Amino acid sequence: DAKTTQPPSMDCAEGRAANLPCNHSTISGNEYVYWYRQIHSQGPQYIIHGLKNNETNEMASLIITEDRKSSTLILPHATLRDTAVYYCIVRVTIHSGGGADGLTFGKGTHLIIQP
Amino acid sequence: DVKVTQSSRYLVKRTGEKVFLECVQDMDHENMFWYRQDPGLGLRLIYFSYDVKMKEKGDIPEGYSVSREKKERFSLILESASTNQTSMYLCASSLWDFTRDEKLFFGSGTQLSVL
Repeated sequence: DAKTTQPPSMDCAEGRAANLPCNHSTISGNEYVYWYRQIHSQGPQYIIHGLKNNETNEMASLIITEDRKSSTLILPHATLRDTAVYYCIVRVTIHSGGGADGLTFGKGTHLIIQP
Repeated sequence: DVKVTQSSRYLVKRTGEKVFLECVQDMDHENMFWYRQDPGLGLRLIYFSYDVKMKEKGDIPEGYSVSREKKERFSLILESASTNQTSMYLCASSLWDFTRDEKLFFGSGTQLSVL
């Protein structure tokens, strides 16, 4: 699986959009980009994932560049409850062998929402 | 909502004890995982299972074993606990389909202290 690079920490004002970057310059054609977050003292929580096209759900938007070498997770109106560590993961999803083999979590970005 | 329940939030054990960490999921997921999380090291995959009685080693299986006798339950076993196994242990599950969508659902974690 391709490696990812994220800034170790970021600040964002409450009510503003939080834009979290992720670099995955070695991504290959069949690798998806996943985003999870981990709020203090809880297990990680799935946010969103995508392959080529931009994706949006009730939690966030995912913007993937045309060359797929980087992506941005956008939390449109950040609240204090969005303070968490955000993990960007690149993962091959389709395997002929079936089964599963988990996800590799890096160190992520610690996003701090300021009141 | 998917629920992944870990039997204990906090656990204190002595060196050399046999320790069982239990995890139950209620969504009929095929795949289950055990991770440990340590400051500065992030989440690391210990073992996973994609079917009843099936198990696969993750990145750091040494000192651990697992058991999956029923689909909903995945147990992590420390045969002889050591102080370097003091950690936060996280269980996760996911549904398998042909795309191997890695949308993991995590439990709240068990903080294990080995004295």
